[in-house]
Amino acid sequence: DIQMTQSPSTLSASVGDRVTITCRASQSITSWLAWYQQKPGKAPKLLISKASSLESGVPSRFSGSGSGTEFTLTISSLQPDDFATYYCQQYNTYSTFGGGTKVEIK
Amino acid sequence: QVQLVESGGGLVKPGGSLRLSCAASGFTFTDYYMSWIRQAPEKGLEWLSYISSSGSTIYYADSVKGRFTISRDNAKNSLYLQMNSLRVDDTAVYYCARGTGYGSFYFDYWGQGALVTVTS
Repeated sequence: DIQMTQSPSTLSASVGDRVTITCRASQSITSWLAWYQQKPGKAPKLLISKASSLESGVPSRFSGSGSGTEFTLTISSLQPDDFATYYCQQYNTYSTFGGGTKVEIK
Repeated sequence: QVQLVESGGGLVKPGGSLRLSCAASGFTFTDYYMSWIRQAPEKGLEWLSYISSSGSTIYYADSVKGRFTISRDNAKNSLYLQMNSLRVDDTAVYYCARGTGYGSFYFDYWGQGALVTVTS
């Protein structure tokens, strides 16, 4: 099974900060990686697919990069609406989610 | 607009059974793989199962293989999850989600979730 490791598990940041979340796969998943945002009590929302393809309607301050085993989600200038938990998901072989990164207010 | 609405959640004793349903609308149901994903309280997301558009191909996570059964009724635009031999650690919010991609799938639409609580 492919394991997905996200870091950090919690991140404290301020509005306007540049934020980077890392996701590592236990084996190569080429670019079959998605990122989701989840707010408390809500279903996850898809942000990015195929490692770097931004979904329609997602603000351009979100970007994804990487391939193989190492991936990043970057928020270029953190906004109040961005405080949430973020998950990566590999879909190279079935599906596995990372453990999540909670972005909280500093 | 795409809508996925889960139902059938509730309270059940260990060893019991429950069947979740997911009603889909706003898209051509027969064009898409569908999936079940769960989230235990204060925990992360766990993928459980995929079913192909025709229902002929099914995959399960090891944690539920042999206990849970995914199925779909394309005439009713509905997805199901039959859960047997439930355990306390199956307590979670269960989401149905639409799978998008070619041969491998990410999830572009999710339902609001159905809470399943397994307790004696």
